[in-house]
Amino acid sequence: GAGVSQSPSNKVTEKGKDVELRCDPISGHTALYWYRQSLGQGLEFLIYFQGNSAPDKSGLPSDRFSAERTGGSVSTLTIQRTQQEDSAVYLCASSLAVTQETQYFGPGTRLLVL
Amino acid sequence: SQKIEQNSEALNIQEGKTATLTCNYTNYSPAYLQWYRQDPGRGPVFLLLIRENEKEKRKERLKVTFDTTLKQSLFHITASQPADSATYLCALDISAGNMLTFGGGTRLMVKP
Repeated sequence: GAGVSQSPSNKVTEKGKDVELRCDPISGHTALYWYRQSLGQGLEFLIYFQGNSAPDKSGLPSDRFSAERTGGSVSTLTIQRTQQEDSAVYLCASSLAVTQETQYFGPGTRLLVL
Repeated sequence: SQKIEQNSEALNIQEGKTATLTCNYTNYSPAYLQWYRQDPGRGPVFLLLIRENEKEKRKERLKVTFDTTLKQSLFHITASQPADSATYLCALDISAGNMLTFGGGTRLMVKP
């Protein structure tokens, strides 16, 4: 079956511009997570959604970052007024439920802020 | 604060040997620990999960141990193959929300 998909796969933008990154989780998965991975670094948790509950935003690095999840499925991560330090790979993962430990990751979006 | 340490240096081994990767953590008592594999340009792929009350878990050529006293997990790949070359990440749950905290990963290179 289809796995987690993300778009775009690559994004180059200029400093100060806004970007939107999209994640399509596995059908039926109620939990969705966003992570950021800088070059040579581990994954940094950003935000997670569980069903219709309010998202846990505790990992968002600044108020320039926001995310939403429409209809309990597709999610969009928005970065406003991008900075060069935002350059990283943004990974999305989903799991069957918040109590289901295994997370399935998408291929990521590689963001480069010039 | 929670800290997860993996050897940041690449591990180079010869094909057929056993690769052993280490994951150490501090300041936390996780209910479980996971290992993921990540290939260049791809997202991590789940390999194994071991719970706090389990000492060891195996899956084909993979074996994971979990020592909650030492706060350490060891990940072994027996009869390693060049196709096993990748970065291996350990991850711990830090809350009931199933948010994972990842280590920095260890790159494994298996030479033929």
